[in-house]
Amino acid sequence: NAGVMQNPRHLVRRRGQEARLRCSPMKGHSHVYWYRQLPEEGLKFMVYLQKENIIDESGMPKERFSAEFPKEGPSILRIQQVVRGDSAAYFCASSPLDRGSYEQYFGPGTRLTVT
Amino acid sequence: DAKTTQPPSMDCAEGRAANLPCNHSTISGNEYVYWYRQIHSQGPQYIIHGLKNNETNEMASLIITEDRKSSTLILPHATLRDTAVYYCIVRSSGNTPLVFGKGTRLSVIA
Repeated sequence: NAGVMQNPRHLVRRRGQEARLRCSPMKGHSHVYWYRQLPEEGLKFMVYLQKENIIDESGMPKERFSAEFPKEGPSILRIQQVVRGDSAAYFCASSPLDRGSYEQYFGPGTRLTVT
Repeated sequence: DAKTTQPPSMDCAEGRAANLPCNHSTISGNEYVYWYRQIHSQGPQYIIHGLKNNETNEMASLIITEDRKSSTLILPHATLRDTAVYYCIVRSSGNTPLVFGKGTRLSVIA
């Protein structure tokens, strides 16, 4: 059973470009969370999605950031017009639908570097 | 903000038990205690969680005090690969986001 997959693992973008980060949840998981970890800081929640729905986006910056989790395919975190301050590790986690189990399982992360 | 307090760092000799404390004095009745760890810059790894009873799995044991205001994560025989930042998280039931604090940086020493 493959774990949470994220790609790319490393992404370099110049200021002003767009970054697209993908997350494929574990098989059977229908909940996806995105977290960001700035250099030398802790992880901060960004957004929580279920298939085709954004449940909680209270941690998302108001501008330039968006997320989706379509019916088919991976969840996408999109950052438009990247700036140097967006350089961070972005982690995706998934959890199952089963009400008895709420553990979140994390992917290896995407390290975004903005030059 | 995180609802837990942990020491910033701890050392443990290889092969000995590592006991990581966590204070969560404002925990409410429907909130669970979760433990995760992050090895170097990898994705966080789920360890264990509990509500009020002590819990044990293949990785660790979780001891929660009777008043639930604090808990201890126990790694029974620490190895060098257990060197990581350990996060204690209080979380209500359901698919709520995890709120990470600064955690405890555990260094296992040969």
